[in-house]
Amino acid sequence: AQTVTQSQPEMSVQEAETVTLSCTYDTSESDYYLFWYKQPPSRQMILVIRQEAYKQQNATENRFSVNFQKAAKSFSLKISDSQLGDAAMYFCAYRLIYNFNKFYFGSGTKLNVKP
Amino acid sequence: GAVVSQHPSRVICKSGTSVKIECRSLDFQATTMFWYRQFPKQSLMLMATSNEGSKATYEQGVEKDKFLINHASLTLSTLTVTSAHPEDSSFYICSARADSRGAFFGQGTRLTVV
Repeated sequence: AQTVTQSQPEMSVQEAETVTLSCTYDTSESDYYLFWYKQPPSRQMILVIRQEAYKQQNATENRFSVNFQKAAKSFSLKISDSQLGDAAMYFCAYRLIYNFNKFYFGSGTKLNVKP
Repeated sequence: GAVVSQHPSRVICKSGTSVKIECRSLDFQATTMFWYRQFPKQSLMLMATSNEGSKATYEQGVEKDKFLINHASLTLSTLTVTSAHPEDSSFYICSARADSRGAFFGQGTRLTVV
């Protein structure tokens, strides 16, 4: 069974500083995608970043980067230069490359950004 | 590109009535759409997978007669909550598969049954 675990229900960061959100997953598969989604108060799910498991290089999108440790099944999200607009729920998610039919979501981490 | 629109964003209905939620892919064709339910401060739980032109596949524990899904075209899937009860109150989110780009989410529908 595939499961996604986010062990930090809530975190806070000072504006302009860096924060790392943790995610671990459990799978016996080798070909999969990992995602971080942001859900602001509007509840719209927004894709932040995606990592293909077969790529060793960590994905980066502007201020967002991941630390993907495949052997450890760890996929953390680092937000640099945090902004007030980054405040949201962040969900880690997993999907098999060849099976679109299921996303497995973590329980989410609420990120607070302090001015 | 890859915009998914969900309507309505908010609906209040009386207990015992039915309510329909629409999910549209605006700038792409989606052969597969997904319906999720999200309880307060919880994650998204997949309810069903909707394939254009065929019956939806429901997750275990989801009542297919209560949550009717119709995917009549490549750009529209609907979720009808039949004979709604207060315990059906929740946030419902759809997502649509946009070929190799992955799945994109609608903005969600908050359903309140009174």
